[in-house]
Amino acid sequence: DTGVSQDPRHKITKRGQNVTFRCDPISEHNRLYWYRQTLGQGPEFLTYFQNEAQLEKSRLLSDRFSAERPKGSFSTLEIQRTEQGDSAMYLCASSFGDSLYNEQFFGPGTRLTVL
Amino acid sequence: GNSVTQMEGPVTLSEEAFLTINCTYTATGYPSLFWYVQYPGEGLQLLLKATKADDKGSNKGFEATYRKETTSFHLEKGSVQVSDSAVYFCALSQAGTALIFGKGTTLSVSS
Repeated sequence: DTGVSQDPRHKITKRGQNVTFRCDPISEHNRLYWYRQTLGQGPEFLTYFQNEAQLEKSRLLSDRFSAERPKGSFSTLEIQRTEQGDSAMYLCASSFGDSLYNEQFFGPGTRLTVL
Repeated sequence: GNSVTQMEGPVTLSEEAFLTINCTYTATGYPSLFWYVQYPGEGLQLLLKATKADDKGSNKGFEATYRKETTSFHLEKGSVQVSDSAVYFCALSQAGTALIFGKGTTLSVSS
């Protein structure tokens, strides 16, 4: 088991472009979460999936953001028409949903810079 | 809504000093409480956890006790090391949903 992986690790884009990030969770984990972390702040929840169903979305997730988990395995997060305010670290985490502790395991993150 | 408040940093200590990082929370019901750590250049790692009142989580010499009466989950370590230098995040979760994090506290330990 290699843990949660994210790709790419870094992305630099120009304002107005679309970007897509990928997350591969730990294989037996049925829950997958996306968070955003800006400098000096704690991670903020964006959305989560149980299997392929998107169960909750934060108000932070504007209509320019979309997330999918088509087969209940990997997930993608797309940002359309990027803005400079989207610059942040995007974190993915996974957990086994029946765990009493709901321990979430985090990936290394994708750092997005919008110029 | 649910929220987590942790003490402002940075916290600067000498090696072998005692560490306390305060964390208080606001939540309905009985959330699970966590401390995550982020070492320089690395991802978030779970440090310790507690799921009910009076539970004590512990790991790597760090401890935190779930105090429902004071809605607190303070992180302590009796003797810090240089290798403990990192950013520490207090967080809560209810019913296996999203983690709600505090802003983080930077700890710097010098030899």
